[in-house]
Amino acid sequence: QKEVEQDPGPLSVPEGAIVSLNCTYSNSAFQYFMWYRQYSRKGPELLMYTYSSGNKEDGRFTAQVDKSSKYISLFIRDSQPSDSATYLCAMSGGTYKYIFGTGTRLKVLA
Amino acid sequence: GAGVSQSPRYKVAKRGQDVALRCDPISGHVSLFWYQQALGQGPEFLTYFQNEAQLDKSGLPSDRFFAERPEGSVSTLKIQRTQQEDSAVYLCASSPRRLAGADTQYFGPGTRLTVL
Repeated sequence: QKEVEQDPGPLSVPEGAIVSLNCTYSNSAFQYFMWYRQYSRKGPELLMYTYSSGNKEDGRFTAQVDKSSKYISLFIRDSQPSDSATYLCAMSGGTYKYIFGTGTRLKVLA
Repeated sequence: GAGVSQSPRYKVAKRGQDVALRCDPISGHVSLFWYQQALGQGPEFLTYFQNEAQLDKSGLPSDRFFAERPEGSVSTLKIQRTQQEDSAVYLCASSPRRLAGADTQYFGPGTRLTVL
């Protein structure tokens, strides 16, 4: 079993929909949770960075962390075709070693 | 401002050839990381530099992989006697602080290596 599990998708939604992306993890030492967006043939770009449990909002993006369930989510409101990309969750126990999920491919249809 | 840059962007090598992949981190960033991203997978940690010191190379898959950062800025990842299983995207990331903790890592565009 991998430390971080993420559904690879693809997930297809119509423009304007609310998108929910999720990761589960097994290591209770993880305290830092990140979401990266990766466009095709590009490097990952940081979207959200969260410490411990709770919610964090930035524009159309909301990150949620539920440490009791070892479950994190990224919500995208009013999704746009430009949001079409692979979304990677990443986690750390406080060190520089990030553990990434496999990524979920998202397609937002115009 | 300039981000992390990597070159070449694409590299095709015949099995058994040596390759060298270059990373230019964000100016002034102390920490530098190399990751390997196989097709359809997330990035996997290879090695970590703090300035010129390689503090962690636990993720390097074999002794054919070697990384250096001699002056604490540009880094090179070298793969000797390439094998087909080395085909992947090699990502470089940098971070402004020492030991980085869980500091934000800024990624470059990657070098896509294909070994025939």
